[in-house]
Amino acid sequence: AQSVTQLGSHVSVSEGALVLLRCNYSSSVPPYLFWYVQYPNQGLQLLLKYTSAATLVKGINGFEAEFKKSETSFHLTKPSAHMSDAAEYFCAVTPGGSSASKIIFGSGTRLSIRP
Amino acid sequence: DTGVSQDPRHKITKRGQNVTFRCDPISEHNRLYWYRQTLGQGPEFLTYFQNEAQLEKSRLLSDRFSAERPKGSFSTLEIQRTEQGDSAMYLCASSLGQGNTGELFFGEGSRLTVL
Repeated sequence: AQSVTQLGSHVSVSEGALVLLRCNYSSSVPPYLFWYVQYPNQGLQLLLKYTSAATLVKGINGFEAEFKKSETSFHLTKPSAHMSDAAEYFCAVTPGGSSASKIIFGSGTRLSIRP
Repeated sequence: DTGVSQDPRHKITKRGQNVTFRCDPISEHNRLYWYRQTLGQGPEFLTYFQNEAQLEKSRLLSDRFSAERPKGSFSTLEIQRTEQGDSAMYLCASSLGQGNTGELFFGEGSRLTVL
């Protein structure tokens, strides 16, 4: 079975500061991992995904995440926060290399940006 | 470019009534998913289809819930004898179904309030 745990339901950073959103996964097989973002009153959209190629994955809007098997982590970072980054962020996991397609989401982290 | 559309966007109903939600996926996508999201939580998997075949259902999906995708295009999610605990946002997503690395494209959701 697969699951993800997002540490911190709410993170607040100053504009221009480093953004770090934490995600740890549990998977019985090598996983594929995702970060999705949900802006207010909008649907979820994919930020980035790890599918067993490079362990450092770059996504949209300057975000990136690093897959660390030894730590079972897939933390999301951005060097410099912008006001437009304020949103809800979800980490998600699915079994890698399988035709199975169920994607399991974490409970989310709300990112607030202080001026 | 039309994305995933869901209808209705909001539904208020009385306990015990039946409700039906419709999802129109991106036209070339052969996989369609239903998720449920409550306040402060991540999307919770309900079921998914590949073309018209329903491939997996969550154990959380009680007998009061039924989903169909009769022609492999749009899908409906029906909830019979609604209960207050069914109040949530119901999300639909679609993908090209390239194994489980395909990006999920989400609609904006159908919000259900059961009085």
